[in-house]
Amino acid sequence: DAMVIQNPRYQVTQFGKPVTLSCSQTLNHNVMYWYQQKSSQAPKLLFHYYDKDFNNEADTPDNFQSRRPNTSFCFLDIRSPGLGDAAMYLCATSTDRGSDQPQHFGDGTRLSIL
Amino acid sequence: KQEVTQIPAALSVPEGENLVLNCSFTDSAIYNLQWFRQDPGKGLTSLLLIQSSQREQTSGRLNASLDKSSGRSTLYIAASQPGDSATYLCAVNTGFQKLVFGTGTRLLVSP
Repeated sequence: DAMVIQNPRYQVTQFGKPVTLSCSQTLNHNVMYWYQQKSSQAPKLLFHYYDKDFNNEADTPDNFQSRRPNTSFCFLDIRSPGLGDAAMYLCATSTDRGSDQPQHFGDGTRLSIL
Repeated sequence: KQEVTQIPAALSVPEGENLVLNCSFTDSAIYNLQWFRQDPGKGLTSLLLIQSSQREQTSGRLNASLDKSSGRSTLYIAASQPGDSATYLCAVNTGFQKLVFGTGTRLLVSP
């Protein structure tokens, strides 16, 4: 049973055209994360929500925004995608931010930019 | 700034062989270390989590060790199987669940 669900699995958008990626979870976890993983690179944390508290990483471009309307859903908005934003985007959750809690990942959305 | 390195980048072994994957990190101030598996085009599956106060964790054929003072972790896979073929990533938790990942070791186990 999928517990962290990302939609769509594959997304194609045009250069500069806004795009939204979706993540939902059935785990009722407090924390949700968005990572960017470019080809053959390590996943890189973009931001996370602790409940409704938004935490942005210092080097996350302003082009990337996020919304969490409720516990179950979190969205990644890319306002004006550039060619360099083509990547796999991974959503993850954890119970809280305690050190004994593993992060649970979805299958990702692969974003292509035309 | 925390940096995580995984060696080797790729590994090919015959089925049944025992193998060790290595992970090193530059700053020993970590809360825990996680090993993940990533299949092609998929997300990450958590394999093992070692708290900073622990030395090792075991799950089935997998054993992970942590030497925080030297900045090293190893993932030992016993009696490897073709189904173990995947990319293995380690990640250190630098606080408040901020994970810093290595670039992974791509493992191929041939029948």
